[in-house]
Amino acid sequence: QVKLVESGGGVVQPGRSLRLSCAASGFSFSSYVMHWVRQAPGKGLEWVAGIRHDGTIQYYADSVKGRFTISRDNSKKAVYLEMTTLRGEDTAVYYCARDVSYCSGGSCHPAGYDSWGQGTPVTVSS
Amino acid sequence: DIVMTQSPDSLAVSLGERATIQCKSSQTVLHSSSNKNYLSWYQQKPGQPPKLLIYWASTRESGVPDRFSGSGSGTDFTLTINTLQAEDVAVYYCQQYYSPLSITFGQGTRLEIK
Repeated sequence: QVKLVESGGGVVQPGRSLRLSCAASGFSFSSYVMHWVRQAPGKGLEWVAGIRHDGTIQYYADSVKGRFTISRDNSKKAVYLEMTTLRGEDTAVYYCARDVSYCSGGSCHPAGYDSWGQGTPVTVSS
Repeated sequence: DIVMTQSPDSLAVSLGERATIQCKSSQTVLHSSSNKNYLSWYQQKPGQPPKLLIYWASTRESGVPDRFSGSGSGTDFTLTINTLQAEDVAVYYCQQYYSPLSITFGQGTRLEIK
């Protein structure tokens, strides 16, 4: 079955860097767009970044643009989030999620995120 | 960015009754060439990741009970939970992916049992 497992979270000082990983299994990883979504303590969901199935296009929320980098290694079935210049407001649980498309009437269309990992917590604090 | 606004922020409904959650987008999420609304609903229970319930505004994801339904088009959407069960206690989010370079979620609606 589809499985996404995040790792790499922890406690880090402001201004420092951290790299998150998400290991995928149970599906054809290289066929899917992947995303990172975060959730600050007691708050809602915030989309962070997405990457095309072949890694050629990445897109970011304004709140992390220039500081975070999403990448993937299809040979390892993994997606990464390199986070630099971390701030207190980056404290959150970080989820990786699979972007699914469903087909209807002969064409396929995005349909949201059908699989999520359990998340890895990141705390930015001195 | 497309802003998604849910209402109410929280609601309490009796077991067996109907719960209704609204979601309004600041601009249309109706994809004209496909005639599909690029809007999904998620359920998140405490300590768990979100779960996809509804996509294209009204299509239930596989395995989702039929007491969950979605409706609406353009900028106004509704998630309805009929015959509320205890296991439906959760926070519910809408999400737009009409603008793939800037995906946004609503702020969430907390559903409790009255």
